[in-house]
Amino acid sequence: GAGVSQSPSNKVTEKGKDVELRCDPISGHTALYWYRQSLGQGLEFLIYFQGNSAPDKSGLPSDRFSAERTGGSVSTLTIQRTQQEDSAVYLCASSERAGLAGGNTGELFFGEGSRLTVL
Amino acid sequence: DQQVKQNSPSLSVQEGRISILNCDYTNSMFDYFLWYKKYPAEGPTFLISISSIKDKNEDGRFTVFLNKSAKHLSLHIVPSQPGDSAVYFCAANKLVFGAGTILRVKS
Repeated sequence: GAGVSQSPSNKVTEKGKDVELRCDPISGHTALYWYRQSLGQGLEFLIYFQGNSAPDKSGLPSDRFSAERTGGSVSTLTIQRTQQEDSAVYLCASSERAGLAGGNTGELFFGEGSRLTVL
Repeated sequence: DQQVKQNSPSLSVQEGRISILNCDYTNSMFDYFLWYKKYPAEGPTFLISISSIKDKNEDGRFTVFLNKSAKHLSLHIVPSQPGDSAVYFCAANKLVFGAGTILRVKS
């Protein structure tokens, strides 16, 4: 498809289980971002990739959270030993590159999100 | 520590009138700002951006104003349409988002 694709769209899991969320960015986009939106909250930045490297991991809430990106394309966000407070919509976005240089509007293209519910 | 704040959780405007959505930030090092619109059950979509070297950027019905001295930006939508009803997020440098403002445009 032409847009950012995320899977699964919905995931219900039990507390303590591990979950893996996948993001397939728009082809050719070098920058990839993970955010989460908890109920009634704004978008919380988690991690950002430029190519396969993550210059900014400052938003990861704990060491239970990790993310990787391989081949400059697909990224996976892994949450180990899930807790109820991890319940949220996890959004992935991609862009051609960071910054506004070279006429880049700075636009991020978002996927529809993965809704995680931890029981 | 919220670096980007949208202090109005919601705004209600009559169709045809102007909608003004506000955003304040604390970090003077931010060099560009973006506005996104989000409908329920969908990902946010980009509306408009502005570089910190500018004070205004206009795209159709949408205009963003930046006041660097006040660390404040605003999004003006005129005329407002019922289809504009959504949650609007202000963001800085793509990494820091405000909590969002729910806009309801009444017909």
